[in-house]
Amino acid sequence: EDKVVQSPLSLVVHEGDTVTLNCSYEVTNFRSLLWYKQEKKAPTFLFMLTSSGIEKKSGRLSSILDKKELFSILNITATQTGDSAVYLCAVREVQGAQKLVFGQGTRLTINP
Amino acid sequence: DAGVTQSPTHLIKTRGQQVTLRCSPKSGHDTVSWYQQALGQGPQFIFQYYEEEERQRGNFPDRFSGHQFPNYSSELNVNALLLGDSALYLCASSHRNRQGEANYGYTFGSGTRLTVV
Repeated sequence: EDKVVQSPLSLVVHEGDTVTLNCSYEVTNFRSLLWYKQEKKAPTFLFMLTSSGIEKKSGRLSSILDKKELFSILNITATQTGDSAVYLCAVREVQGAQKLVFGQGTRLTINP
Repeated sequence: DAGVTQSPTHLIKTRGQQVTLRCSPKSGHDTVSWYQQALGQGPQFIFQYYEEEERQRGNFPDRFSGHQFPNYSSELNVNALLLGDSALYLCASSHRNRQGEANYGYTFGSGTRLTVV
């Protein structure tokens, strides 16, 4: 059965710290890995990764994929209170509906 | 440009009742996928609709059914509600590329919070 595991499940840091969120996966028909930020209800898209070793960056956020070791990391530097959210990792399958298989999420809390 | 719209935002139902949730996709999108997100968990795929047909289904019982209309909007129906059906139900819309591959421009709605008492 396809599985996506995120760690840690919860993380509390101070504003200005750098954090690394982890995502490992076991998916038969891998197409891409996606990161989402969920603050209240709707997950909002952060990154989509399809190739190993190529870092994607957006401001203070960056992410990279390792398809050999089957994991991805999401880094956030100089964290701000507005970064507090649940971060979801999802793997998109190649076949069929190309559904997303999600991890359980990492709840990140940034204290001022 | 309207995003994905879901209604209602909140709903409280009694065990055994039936519920219908609604989703209007983003303009230009023709595919709707439904997910269930229990408290503290990641979303789980329920099913996907394209061209008014269910294209793939996750590990959910037949009590969960859906429909897609010609205008691409969709409904999720849940019969014989159980306490365990309490969750945030998310709708995501997308479109298919020229090769018929799904899930381009994948966009989530804000969800419907269903509480079963």
